[in-house]
Amino acid sequence: DAKTTQPTSMDCAEGRAANLPCNHSTISGNEYVYWYRQIHSQGPQYIIHGLKNNETNEMASLIITEDRKSSTLILPHATLRDTAVYYCIVRLSPTGTASKLTFGTGTRLQVTL
Amino acid sequence: GAVVSQHPSWVICKSGTSVKIECRSLDFQATTMFWYRQFPKQSLMLMATSNEGSKATYEQGVEKDKFLINHASLTLSTLTVTSAHPEDSSFYICSARDRRSSYNSPLHFGNGTRLTVT
Repeated sequence: DAKTTQPTSMDCAEGRAANLPCNHSTISGNEYVYWYRQIHSQGPQYIIHGLKNNETNEMASLIITEDRKSSTLILPHATLRDTAVYYCIVRLSPTGTASKLTFGTGTRLQVTL
Repeated sequence: GAVVSQHPSWVICKSGTSVKIECRSLDFQATTMFWYRQFPKQSLMLMATSNEGSKATYEQGVEKDKFLINHASLTLSTLTVTSAHPEDSSFYICSARDRRSSYNSPLHFGNGTRLTVT
C-alpha cells in the first residue's frame, strides 16, 4: 500500500471548517483513499473514502487532486467532538478480498472554543 | 450501520495468566476480521488477520503461540493473550467487513479492549 504523509497536529476553531491534508504521491491507479478518525480511547471510526472523484457524506467531504497525489478531508463546521486523531490511509482493494488497513501516525486535530 | 462489539472493554489480569478478548459483528457476517494493538500515544499496529474456518495470518514479529486467534463463526473472533506479562498491556482493537459488501467497502472497528497486566 502507498505511504501517506500527514501533519502531526492541527488546530481549528469551533464552527470553522477543518481542512486536513494528506500526501500520497506514490498512489497507484487502483488504490483508494480512506479516512478514519480515532477519538481518545475508542476504536477508529470510518469517515469517508474515494478513488478519484470528490466525495461528500454527512460527516465530511473528500477532495482528491486530479493527479491523485494528495487529498484533503474537510469537516465543514468543526465541533469540540471532532477533536481526534485523523488517519489518511491508502489501501489496495483486490477484488473479492478484505484487504487490511495499515495506519500511519495521523493528524491530531484539536478543536478549540 | 454495521456494528462491531468487543468484550470486555477493559480487563486487569495478573502476570502469567491468560486473557480472552471477543470480537463480534452484531448485524453482519464477516469472513475476515483483523486484530490491532495500540500502545499509548502510538498508532494502531496490525497483529493478525483472522479468517473464519482457517488459521489466522500473523504479521511479522507477532508470536502466534502467545496471541491465539480463533474465528469459529462468521460473527465471532477471539484473541487470547496467553501467559500475559506487563509488556502485553495495551489497547487491543478488532475490525471486520461485511462479507456481502463490495471489495472497497470500509472496515468497521470495535471500541477496543484495554488490557492491563499487573
